[in-house]
Amino acid sequence: QQQVKQSPQSLIVQKGGIPIINCAYENTAFDYFPWYQQFPGKGPALLIAIRPDVSEKKEGRFTISFNKSAKQFSLHIMDSQPGDSATYFCAASISGYSTLTFGKGTMLLVSP
Amino acid sequence: DTAVSQTPKYLVTQMGNDKSIKCEQNLGHDTMYWYKQDSKKFLKIMFSYNNKELIINETVPNRFSPKSPDKAHLNLHINSLELGDSAVYFCASSRQGTNTGELFFGEGSRLTVL
Repeated sequence: QQQVKQSPQSLIVQKGGIPIINCAYENTAFDYFPWYQQFPGKGPALLIAIRPDVSEKKEGRFTISFNKSAKQFSLHIMDSQPGDSATYFCAASISGYSTLTFGKGTMLLVSP
Repeated sequence: DTAVSQTPKYLVTQMGNDKSIKCEQNLGHDTMYWYKQDSKKFLKIMFSYNNKELIINETVPNRFSPKSPDKAHLNLHINSLELGDSAVYFCASSRQGTNTGELFFGEGSRLTVL
C-alpha cells in the first residue's frame, strides 16, 4: 500500500517556468510533510517542510501549498533554474516517530 | 566534515558473495537508517536502529542484517547476494524526538551484482 502518491513522474520546464509537483497522502495521522531534493550521485537532502497547521510555506523560490481536507500538498518552484534540475521527493511522517514515507519521486529537468 | 559517510561508494561483486557496507555519522544522532533506492529512484526503508532497538521492514529478506557497534555506526551486511540486490543503498540518521523528522543522508553506495 503506497501511503504517499506523487506526480508527475518526470517534468521538463524551461528556465523561468514554475514546475509544480503534487503529492497525496492517505494516513490522516501524518503531521509532518517535507520535500527532499536529490542531485545525481548524491543523497537526498531536506529542501523545505510544512506542518498541517499552515496552508503555505515559502523559502526562497520554493513554496509548499497544503490542503488538509483534500489530503494533498504540492511543491512550486518559482523562476526555475537549470541548477534546480534534480529528483524531488515528497514525504510524510508522524511527529515523534521519525521514519519517513516517501513518494516515488519526480525527475525535474529545467532547460536553459 | 562529512556528516554521514558511507563506504564503499561503489561495489561490484558476483552473485552468491557476502558483502558489507559501512556507515558512520558524526552528528550525535540517536537513530540511523538504511534505505534502498532502486533503478526507478524509489526510496524504500529497510531498517531503523535507535538505542539498540531495531525496526525491520518486513519486506526485507533476512539475507540483509544491520550491525551497530555503537551509536555512531550502522553497517549493512548482505549474505548470498542476488541480482535483484543491485541498487544504491543510503544510510541516514536523525535525532530521535526532534519532531522534525529530518533525515541526513549519506552519498550512497552503489551495489552491482553480476
